Amino acid sequence: DAKTTQPNSMESNEEEPVHLPCNHSTISGTDYIHWYRQLPSQGPEYVIHGLTSNVNNRMASLAIAEDRKSSTLILHRATLRDAAVYYCILRETNFGNEKLTFGTGTRLTIIP
Amino acid sequence: DAMVIQNPRYQVTQFGKPVTLSCSQTLNHNVMYWYQQKSSQAPKLLFHYYDKDFNNEADTPDNFQSRRPNTSFCFLDIRSPGLGDAAMYLCATSSTLGHQPSGSPHTLDTQYFGPGTRLTVL
Repeated sequence: DAKTTQPNSMESNEEEPVHLPCNHSTISGTDYIHWYRQLPSQGPEYVIHGLTSNVNNRMASLAIAEDRKSSTLILHRATLRDAAVYYCILRETNFGNEKLTFGTGTRLTIIP
Repeated sequence: DAMVIQNPRYQVTQFGKPVTLSCSQTLNHNVMYWYQQKSSQAPKLLFHYYDKDFNNEADTPDNFQSRRPNTSFCFLDIRSPGLGDAAMYLCATSSTLGHQPSGSPHTLDTQYFGPGTRLTVL
């Protein structure tokens, strides 16, 4: 799996938007960009994923650069419950190959 | 709600004493995974079952074994736990194309994690 680079930590004020960057300069044409987050004392949970186009769901938005070498996870209005470690993961969706290789992630702190 | 369940949430064992961690799922997913997460580190895949087929990661120690007696259950056996095996053990499931339960709101190819079992080795 190709590697990703994320800042170790970020802070944001409550009720403000948060932009979490991820660099993946060695991404291949078939790699999907997945984001998971891990709240304290819980297992990771899926947030969003995309291939080329920007994606929106009820949790977040994913903005993917035109060259696909970077992406940004956007939380539109951060709450205290969004404090977590956010992992950006590249995943080649081969039939039968469903590995997730977690990087170090970004620890997001929300300031009340 | 359909979910991934891990029991117990906290497990204490003695150095060298075999221990088994359990995972069950009500999602009817065909793939199940075991991850190890040490303190302040990212989760690391140990192995996974694709249906009944066992897939071991190359760097998973022989001390770790797994069993999947049916679709719903998967077990992680640590034959002789060492102090370095103290960690959070995470079970996850996913569904691949062709196995998605009809009417399920879950997304293909994403993984659903349980809350984890924190293992302490004394």
